[in-house]
Amino acid sequence: QQQVKQSPQSLIVQKGGIPIINCAYENTAFDYFPWYQQFPGKGPALLIAIRPDVSEKKEGRFTISFNKSAKQFSLHIMDSQPGDSATYFCAASLSGAGSYQLTFGKGTKLSVIP
Amino acid sequence: ETGVTQSPTHLIKTRGQQVTLRCSSQSGHNTVSWYQQALGQGPQFIFQYYREEENGRGNFPPRFSGLQFPNYSSELNVNALELDDSALYLCASSSGTAQLYGYTFGSGTRLTVV
Repeated sequence: QQQVKQSPQSLIVQKGGIPIINCAYENTAFDYFPWYQQFPGKGPALLIAIRPDVSEKKEGRFTISFNKSAKQFSLHIMDSQPGDSATYFCAASLSGAGSYQLTFGKGTKLSVIP
Repeated sequence: ETGVTQSPTHLIKTRGQQVTLRCSSQSGHNTVSWYQQALGQGPQFIFQYYREEENGRGNFPPRFSGLQFPNYSSELNVNALELDDSALYLCASSSGTAQLYGYTFGSGTRLTVV
């Protein structure tokens, strides 16, 4: 059972465009929602994260929008650049567990065309 | 400050063999988690080690086992390799077991089982 569903699988935008990646989760106990960026041959790196008591969070060109009632969250990348071309993963976790473990979506491969 | 180092970067094994993957955690980090990332998928949590003990495990069979050493480095052992074990294995270190500490991922070990 996939607990975090991510779409689209791939995305191509022109430089300066605003790619949007969407995720939906099932477990209402999740209380932390990070986004990771992964370049080929590298491990995932934390980009930005949000908790469900906040509807939006911005860090530089990256914005997370969160809809608790719909159990959905999304990543927007403003003024996208070719260097943003990577695979993006949404994830979720719950606090209070004995260990910190992330449930990841399947990823979105973003290509930003110059 | 060094990051998370994994070795080897690539290896090829035959079905039924055993493999050991190694991870050196980031300086100051005492917790290590392991993830399996199949091609085109998001990482899946295998287990977490803290103070040399396993303190959380995902949905993986017992032939996946691990160790953590007093210097906080870690090993992932997989016995009786199956073709489906072919994946990128990611190690992530953190300064605690709780969600608030976050992860630093290594670049992974690409395992191919033939």
